[in-house]
Amino acid sequence: DIQMTQSPSSLSVSVGDRVTITCRASQSISSYLNWYQQKPGKAPKLLIYGASSLQSGVPSRFSGSGSGTDFTLTISSLQPDDFATYYCQQSYTTPRTFGQGTKLEIK
Amino acid sequence: QVQLQESGPGLVRPSETLSLTCTVSGGSISNYYWSWIRQSPGKGLEWIGYIYYIGSTTHNPSLKSRVTISVDTSKNQFSLKLSSATAADTAVYYCAREVGHSHYYGMDVWGQGTTVTVSS
Repeated sequence: DIQMTQSPSSLSVSVGDRVTITCRASQSISSYLNWYQQKPGKAPKLLIYGASSLQSGVPSRFSGSGSGTDFTLTISSLQPDDFATYYCQQSYTTPRTFGQGTKLEIK
Repeated sequence: QVQLQESGPGLVRPSETLSLTCTVSGGSISNYYWSWIRQSPGKGLEWIGYIYYIGSTTHNPSLKSRVTISVDTSKNQFSLKLSSATAADTAVYYCAREVGHSHYYGMDVWGQGTTVTVSS
């Protein structure tokens, strides 16, 4: 299986901050990398697919980059609605695998 | 828009079979992959497997041969059966649609999730 490792596991941030979350794959996955946002008690929501393509309806403050094994999710100016847990997931092969998550907490 | 709804027992006895159904509304089940994912505090998000609408399936080898995923296109439903359930199968179970943009696939529609507890 391809292992996905996110860092950090948690981050204390403030509204307006620029936030960067990193995801590393255990082998090259080209650009087959997705990012999800999950709020407590809710299902994950697709934000970014193909490493850098914004899912329809997702605010433009979210962006993704990277290819191969190293990827980043950036939130340009954190909004109150963005406090959540973020997961990366590879769609290069099956089984699909997820990172362990990065929780954004209010500083 | 397309919505997914999981249904099934919230309590399963150990060694019995966990059975869930996902009903697709607002759209057709055709031409997509349909996934099952579970989430437990100890293991995070775990992909269980998926089925293409014509019936071909792929599942996570970590679950060995305990997983069966099936589809009923006439009812716009797909289902999960997980045999020989143990406490380790206690989790929130989600169904989701996997859609391709060019050749990049992501899970763009999810059910709300259903909690399944395995306990006697």
